[in-house]
Formats: sequence, C-alpha cells, structure tokens
Amino acid sequence: QKEVEQNSGPLSVPEGAIASLNCTYSDRVSQSFFWYRQYSGKSPELIMSIYSNGDKEDGRFTAQLNKASQYVSLLIRDSQPSDSATYLCAVTKAAGNKLTFGGGTRVLVKP
Amino acid sequence: DGGITQSPKYLFRKEGQNVTLSCEQNLNHDAMYWYRQDPGQGLRLIYYSQIVNDFQKGDIAEGYSVSREKKESFPLTVTSAQKNPTAFYLCASSIKVGIGADTQYFGPGTRLTVL
Repeated sequence: QKEVEQNSGPLSVPEGAIASLNCTYSDRVSQSFFWYRQYSGKSPELIMSIYSNGDKEDGRFTAQLNKASQYVSLLIRDSQPSDSATYLCAVTKAAGNKLTFGGGTRVLVKP
Repeated sequence: DGGITQSPKYLFRKEGQNVTLSCEQNLNHDAMYWYRQDPGQGLRLIYYSQIVNDFQKGDIAEGYSVSREKKESFPLTVTSAQKNPTAFYLCASSIKVGIGADTQYFGPGTRLTVL
C-alpha cells in the first residue's frame, strides 16, 4: 500500500462546475497536509495547507480533512480552464519532517 | 525578489559522466530538499538538509550526492552510479521550526536527460 494515494485521473470537469479531488494516507500519525498544483513542465506551487479536521477555504479552493478516515480532499469551485493541471497531495508526520507525495490527479477543465 | 533558483533549466549528460545541479535560495530558510519526478509520477525525496554541514538520505539517495556548505546553497551531484538519471529534478526549501515549518516551496526545476 502506498503511503499517499490519489486517483491519477484525468478528472474531466465542465467549466464552472466543482472539481472534487481525494487523497488517502496510510500513516495515522500524519499531522500536516498540503495540496500543490503543478502545470505541465513546471514546478509544484502550494495551494493549501490544512492541519486540523474540518474545512479550510481559500478563494475558490476548499480543503477538507478527516483524520479518522485518513483522507484529505480538495474542492475547486467555479472551475476554470486555467485550473487544468495536476494536483499533488502531500503529507508529513510532524513539523520539520519530510513530505510524502501522492502520484497526483490530473484535472481537465473543458470550456 | 525572494525565491529559489535552479540552474541549469535543461541539462544533457553523457553516459558515465557526473553532473551537478545548482539550487540557491534567498528566503533565509534553514531546510532544503531535493526531489526527483519521473513522467506521470509524484515526487520522490533524494536528500534533505535541515542545517548547514548536515544532510540526510531520502528515499532514493543511491547514485546521488549533496553538500551544504552554505545556508543558501544545496547542490546535487548526479553520479555515474545513478543508472536511470533522466528525470525532472526539483529543489525545495522551508523554515525549520515554528508556524509553517513543514511548508515547502519549490524552485523551477532542472530537466536532466541522459544521451
């Protein structure tokens, strides 16, 4: 079992709709959770970090964390063609520890 | 402008040759990291350093070496012992302690191709 798992996609979403991305992790002691966006040929850029159970909203993005079920999700509201990218989920056990990345979910937003 | 720079952007290596990838940051971050990304894959940790003159192996350190002589710099050498070095190499940095200590920021990457 991989430490951090994501559906590779592609997740095809009509423009203006909500894109829902999921990530599961295997280590119960994981404490910090991150979503990065990566455009083709570019480096990852941080979208959201979340540390406690519940929802965290930032603009059109909402991260949801459920430690009991060991999953973290990302919702993209009002999806735009510019949101077409690969979204990487990353998890760390404690502050200052190394990140473990999932394989990424490719999102395609169709006009 | 604060940030992380990597050079070169593209690098071509012949079989049996060692090459060094540069990573510099002016964010005053203590910790620096090197990752490798293969097509369609996530990132895998090669080496990381949380303080000058100290570094630890990541998950795939074989065939690579690093040094951390200055806080701002963390060069990665891909040696001839690395059998499949063609990949996208990413450098990242973070603060070591305090709020946001595990939030990593990435440089633009170096794409290495073995000829």
